[in-house]
Amino acid sequence: EAQVTQNPRYLITVTGKKLTVTCSQNMNHEYMSWYRQDPGLGLRQIYYSMNVEVTDKGDVPEGYKVSRKEKRNFPLILESPSPNQTSLYFCASSFSSSRDTQYFGPGTRLTVL
Amino acid sequence: GNSVTQMEGPVTLSEEAFLTINCTYTATGYPSLFWYVQYPGEGLQLLLKATKADDKGSNKGFEATYRKETTSFHLEKGSVQVSDSAVYFCAPSFMNRDDKIIFGKGTRLHILP
Repeated sequence: EAQVTQNPRYLITVTGKKLTVTCSQNMNHEYMSWYRQDPGLGLRQIYYSMNVEVTDKGDVPEGYKVSRKEKRNFPLILESPSPNQTSLYFCASSFSSSRDTQYFGPGTRLTVL
Repeated sequence: GNSVTQMEGPVTLSEEAFLTINCTYTATGYPSLFWYVQYPGEGLQLLLKATKADDKGSNKGFEATYRKETTSFHLEKGSVQVSDSAVYFCAPSFMNRDDKIIFGKGTRLHILP
């Protein structure tokens, strides 16, 4: 089944404790991205990647890192999480660009205390 | 710069009512236009799309027409059902140097039986 998977689905952590949210797709897509969803703000792009070893900042990249060492994986790293990073995070992938249909993962709900 | 404005919610309708959710955008070029839907507890999924002027996207009884003159992509459905209750996102994709997609803030739709 074609899908985007994220892990973990739920995470409660404390300020400053490094964490990684994994994202994997099995559709051989080139374009992958991370979003955060907050009430009243909608969906905002954090980082995106157009291919292996190519990543770019989205609209809200501060406090986040990403890497794209393999085509299928695009982990999101929070080196020193803070409470303002409490949010619902989505990974998405598409065939080759933002103009293609985006396929979303199920989401990761992160709480930083 | 590029931007999108989407009708604010929540929108509450009775079953079988007519639905319109407005979406307008500003762009220097001609974006591809998407509507995504998010059902409770799930990630976003594509509802419909249009890639050029006067194209009409349709799916599950929903329709939207790419209006270049008014830079709009309003979502409509003639007779809504309780199962249509969800959050709807308008998302133009601007193929410029940054290859980014911008999501509207989302419109929450409640359908009453």
